[in-house]
Amino acid sequence: DGGITQSPKYLFRKEGQNVTLSCEQNLNHDAMYWYRQDPGQGLRLIYYSQIVNDFQKGDIAEGYSVSREKKESFPLTVTSAQKNPTAFYLCASISTGVGNQPQHFGDGTRLSIL
Amino acid sequence: DAKTTQPPSMDCAEGRAANLPCNHSTISGNEYVYWYRQIHSQGPQYIIHGLKNNETNEMASLIITEDRKSSTLILPHATLRDTAVYYCIVRAYNQGGKLIFGQGTELSVKP
Repeated sequence: DGGITQSPKYLFRKEGQNVTLSCEQNLNHDAMYWYRQDPGQGLRLIYYSQIVNDFQKGDIAEGYSVSREKKESFPLTVTSAQKNPTAFYLCASISTGVGNQPQHFGDGTRLSIL
Repeated sequence: DAKTTQPPSMDCAEGRAANLPCNHSTISGNEYVYWYRQIHSQGPQYIIHGLKNNETNEMASLIITEDRKSSTLILPHATLRDTAVYYCIVRAYNQGGKLIFGQGTELSVKP
């Protein structure tokens, strides 16, 4: 079945450490997104990519980095510069070739500080 | 960015219709309204979307007012598994068409 796979499901970060969250999709979607969700809140956009080898900052990009070397993969690195990384991270994708279709989401990675 | 307003919580009896309202008075003429739901610790699940006509699929119905300033999501026969947070969302034109999430409505379906 096609879908979006995020791994790991749970991740712990030590002070000063960079960690990378994986997002893989086999939907042949062009655009991919990373959102952050804090308890009791809606999602906020971190980064997005509409084509391979290109990506743009979202509303809260500071302390994060991404790459898009392959169409199906969009990993997110939470750097040590992100001082409050504890949150639920969600990856989404959409086929931009078909207008107004919904974004599909993975099941998320929950990141905590040790 | 267009914003949406939803009641923070609602209850519904199992087997009854659940009607979830949403206000989006600043929506632009060609912006779609999307509904997602999220069960704790899972990713949001797409339910339905529409522009100005009413829409129905196997999960729900979406009623959009003629002035497009509000909409209602209808779950015709709510079950306990429909307990979740429901988000009414407008998709932005900028930033790659990001989804603009509000606080959502926490729906509790009770036996």
